[in-house]
Amino acid sequence: DGGITQSPKYLFRKEGQNVTLSCEQNLNHDAMYWYRQDPGQGLRLIYYSQIVNDFQKGDIAEGYSVSREKKESFPLTVTSAQKNPTAFYLCASKSHLNTGELFFGEGSRLTVL
Amino acid sequence: SQQGEEDPQALSIQEGENATMNCSYKTSINNLQWYRQNSGRGLVHLILIRSNEREKHSGRLRVTLDTSKKSSSLLITASRAADTASYFCATASFMNRDDKIIFGKGTRLHILP
Repeated sequence: DGGITQSPKYLFRKEGQNVTLSCEQNLNHDAMYWYRQDPGQGLRLIYYSQIVNDFQKGDIAEGYSVSREKKESFPLTVTSAQKNPTAFYLCASKSHLNTGELFFGEGSRLTVL
Repeated sequence: SQQGEEDPQALSIQEGENATMNCSYKTSINNLQWYRQNSGRGLVHLILIRSNEREKHSGRLRVTLDTSKKSSSLLITASRAADTASYFCATASFMNRDDKIIFGKGTRLHILP
C-alpha cells in the first residue's frame, strides 16, 4: 500500500543527545515536509524539500537538520542545540507543482529526559 | 510564524447540530486546505479550495473562501460523534516557486452524544 511511514513512533532520549527521525514515502512525491506540534498547538514548519538534494528552512529550523539524498526519504535530526526538543513530529509529502494535498505519517513523539 | 488562525479554539456541540469553524490568514495564497487530526495521529486532508473559488462542497463539508477578507470557514453539517477531532486550516503560497504550506493552531471540536 502507498503511504508515508515515520519511525520510531515513540522515542526517549537524554538531554544533549542527537536523535534522527525517519520519514519514508512510496507515493513518488517530490515534496516532503517536517512539522513540529506541541500539546494543544498547531503545526510549525521545520524544514521542507521540493526536490532531491535540495531543502529549505521553515519557520523553526534552528536546532534541526535534514537531508534529502533520495526521493523517498527525508530524515530529520534533532540536535543538542534544540532547546525544547520534546514534541510530536509530523512528516508529510505531496506531489509537486502548485496544488495538491499533504499526506501525513502517523508522527513520532520525542521525549527528552 | 503561523499563517492561519482558527476560531474558535474549542467548540462543543450536540450530535446532529452543525459545526462552523473559521480561519483567517495574513498573506496572499494560492489555495487553502482543511485537515482533521484525531488525538495523537497524523493529519488527514479534508478539502482544498483555490484562491479563485468562493465555495466548495464535499459530502457534509462546506468550505467558503473570502480572499478580500483573507478568511475561510468550514461547516460540518449534521455532526456525528466520529467528527470529534481537531481541525486545521493550511495555506499554500507558491511565491518564487517556493511550495510552503503553513498551518494554523486548530479548532478542537467535541461532539456531545
